[in-house]
Amino acid sequence: AQSVSQHNHHVILSEAASLELGCNYSYGGTVNLFWYVQYPGQHLQLLLKYFSGDPLVKGIKGFEAEFIKSKFSFNLRKPSVQWSDTAEYFCAVTSLNNNAGNMLTFGGGTRLMVKP
Amino acid sequence: NAGVTQTPKFQVLKTGQSMTLQCAQDMNHEYMSWYRQDPGMGLRLIHYSVGAGITDQGEVPNGYNVSRSTTEDFPLRLLSAAPSQTSVYFCASSGWGEQYFGPGTRLTVT
Repeated sequence: AQSVSQHNHHVILSEAASLELGCNYSYGGTVNLFWYVQYPGQHLQLLLKYFSGDPLVKGIKGFEAEFIKSKFSFNLRKPSVQWSDTAEYFCAVTSLNNNAGNMLTFGGGTRLMVKP
Repeated sequence: NAGVTQTPKFQVLKTGQSMTLQCAQDMNHEYMSWYRQDPGMGLRLIHYSVGAGITDQGEVPNGYNVSRSTTEDFPLRLLSAAPSQTSVYFCASSGWGEQYFGPGTRLTVT
């Protein structure tokens, strides 16, 4: 079964600091990769996704992620965080080679707190 | 455009009670799914459906039932609530690729 690991459970940064959140998955087949964000009290929103093509994916709000197939990684980055980026971030994977269609497997999440 | 809607937003149950969490989508999506969110564990798939009349179990199906009689609706039933089912429940739908999530139902079982 596929699994997703997010290594940082809690991250605290000051505004304008750079952000990198790690995500590794375990599945050898073809995958689609996602980063979702959950602001306090809200539901999940898609930040960005990778299906194929350029491994460097740009999403909303200045976020980007790089798919490195050889490392089974899909790390999320932002050059300069803002207080409004305080949220929980989830990496997710869906396999194209199982009967569950595009059901997602999520990582455990990373809580980001940005201090003003 | 309503997207994915869920009711209720909050619910408190006593152990042993049953209830149904409602989920509806107006995007004509074939895929629908239920996840539960618990601290430090991300979201875990409970049940999913790839079309009307077709459902299957996810990672944590025990204690939950689903049915999919229409494309739009995908209710989740708790048969006999237990404290371990205290969680936030999210319904999602998708055509192919990106999933759209509902606002969630926060359930507490005492």
